[in-house]
Amino acid sequence: GESVGLHLPTLSVQEGDNSIINCAYSNSASDYFIWYKQESGKGPQFIIDIRSNMDKRQGQRVTVLLNKTVKHLSLQIAATQPGDSAVYFCAENSYSGNTPLVFGKGTRLSVIA
Amino acid sequence: NAGVTQTPKFQVLKTGQSMTLQCAQDMNHEYMSWYRQDPGMGLRLIHYSVGAGITDQGEVPNGYNVSRSTTEDFPLRLLSAAPSQTSVYFCASSPASRAYGYTFGSGTRLTVV
Repeated sequence: GESVGLHLPTLSVQEGDNSIINCAYSNSASDYFIWYKQESGKGPQFIIDIRSNMDKRQGQRVTVLLNKTVKHLSLQIAATQPGDSAVYFCAENSYSGNTPLVFGKGTRLSVIA
Repeated sequence: NAGVTQTPKFQVLKTGQSMTLQCAQDMNHEYMSWYRQDPGMGLRLIHYSVGAGITDQGEVPNGYNVSRSTTEDFPLRLLSAAPSQTSVYFCASSPASRAYGYTFGSGTRLTVV
């Protein structure tokens, strides 16, 4: 099976509960942030993004919150389902620049049925 | 529309061998990049390209070469494989504006013995 993510922080959540995954970033110049979901054996998949001129953005069952003061990003998943089990990464870069995305180390979400 | 296609999916090499990991995208994306993913390390950037004929180094470029002769293809070459290069490799692409994050391939799992 997929060995990536063996030593990642793990969040265990009961099915139906809400999940909150946190991410800290360090670059004050970053103004674009993205959350990715990576299922076992697959590449990362885009979930939701947010620009620094926003504090909150909502998608289908997901919400991203951005706190620029403390350089903190969170992903909230409502009514967590077994299919949400995966590793979640945050990524940052400059929206207008030419710098590559920088990824956080990831958090494994485990949904308990 | 196949997105980002990586080949091979799995590869075993002996120390000192060379090989090329292939990456192709059919979305006319200008920006392409290669990441490696190791347990507990997240995604680390190896090389990237902002367009045909232009490449640059990422965080961990040593032991790898790239070229970008066409918009569609961005191969990654391992010059002399080492056990430390055992990893899962992901190729990603995005539009020139990079406004929508990256589209990832499904990865190549490389083992160097």
